[in-house]
Amino acid sequence: GAGVSQSPSNKVTEKGKDVELRCDPISGHTALYWYRQSLGQGLEFLIYFQGNSAPDKSGLPSDRFSAERTGGSVSTLTIQRTQQEDSAVYLCASSFYGNTEAFFGQGTRLTVV
Amino acid sequence: GDSVTQMEGPVTLSEEAFLTINCTYTATGYPSLFWYVQYPGEGLQLLLKATKADDKGSNKGFEATYRKETTSFHLEKGSVQVSDSAVYFCALKLTGNQFYFGTGTSLTVIP
Repeated sequence: GAGVSQSPSNKVTEKGKDVELRCDPISGHTALYWYRQSLGQGLEFLIYFQGNSAPDKSGLPSDRFSAERTGGSVSTLTIQRTQQEDSAVYLCASSFYGNTEAFFGQGTRLTVV
Repeated sequence: GDSVTQMEGPVTLSEEAFLTINCTYTATGYPSLFWYVQYPGEGLQLLLKATKADDKGSNKGFEATYRKETTSFHLEKGSVQVSDSAVYFCALKLTGNQFYFGTGTSLTVIP
């Protein structure tokens, strides 16, 4: 597609439920990133995929969070047993390999009630 | 480790005022440097970038120069407009690594 696509754009879930957030990167981009932006806060790194290399998971805040990237393209971020503190905007970005700029999707606003 | 330190806000300026948002970085290698902007209700957009020392990135009247000697990448604009009201993020990237973002600086321009 023309840009990074994320779905859903908004998600309201009950505490304790699992959620899946999807990211469809720009075609040809080998790198994919997930960040989290809480209200009025900066960007918190979650996970980074680069080609077929093992992902950098160092930013995942707990073992309730996991992500995968199938076929080097679409990525899914899964949050199990959601908590209220998980409420945030989850941003996905993609880029070519190297020090090139990342292109961001519009984000998924997750609200845990 | 690698990191970005960004001037804290919020910043409020009158239209046509001069803008500077300070950004300094710490990096183990030779990073590329970026400024991203987030307009109200929108996602992050690349504003400008510089890939090596002494490069100047520019876009929409904004400029930033990659200063290796001071490890800085300060954002400047000579005359801000109301439409520049947004949150500005400084970021660095090393090959094979994630992007490291500053905490963001909120700018409000009043008529």
